Amino acid sequence: DIKMTQSPSSMYASLGERVTITCKASQDINSYLSWFQQKPGKSPKTLIYRANRLVDGVPSRFSGSGSGQDYSLTISSLEYEDMGIYYCLQYDEFPLTFGAGTKLELK
Amino acid sequence: EVKLEESGGGLVQPGGSMKLSCVASGFTFSNYWMNWVRQSPEKGLEWVAEIRLKSNNYATHYAESVKGRFTISRDDSKSSVYLQMNNLRAEDTGIYYCTRTTTVGYFDVWGAGTTVTVSS
Repeated sequence: DIKMTQSPSSMYASLGERVTITCKASQDINSYLSWFQQKPGKSPKTLIYRANRLVDGVPSRFSGSGSGQDYSLTISSLEYEDMGIYYCLQYDEFPLTFGAGTKLELK
Repeated sequence: EVKLEESGGGLVQPGGSMKLSCVASGFTFSNYWMNWVRQSPEKGLEWVAEIRLKSNNYATHYAESVKGRFTISRDDSKSSVYLQMNNLRAEDTGIYYCTRTTTVGYFDVWGAGTTVTVSS
């Protein structure tokens, strides 16, 4: 199985700050990577697919990058509504595997 | 509005069975793969099963932890996907989400989830 190592596991950031979360796959996943945001008591929401493609309706302050084994999600200027837990998912091969999540909180 | 609505969760004893349903609306269901994903505090988000299209002969894939116990199926005429869960274990406890999956493989829409508790 492909292991997805996500970091940091939690972080505090200030409004307006640039935030970056990373995911490292245990092998090349050919950019078949998605990012999700989850808020308390809600289902995950898809932000990014294919490593860098923004889902319709997602604010442009979110961006994804990476290739091979290394990927990142960047929020260019943090807003209050961005607090939550972020997960990556590789869908290059079965079993599909998620990262353990990054909890983003306001400093 | 694109929507997925899960149902069928509840409390079941270890070794028991349960069938989850997910009804889709607002899009052409038969054009999308569908997945089940579960979430628990112990394991986080965990992919469970996928079913593809009629043109793919409704091909299915399963996580090793559920293979032989769970069966994913779909009824395109009812815009529904199902998860039949047998021989349930305590570690199957969690929130079960159905997700719409594009034919290039990414999850683009999630349901609100249904909670399954396996306990005596």
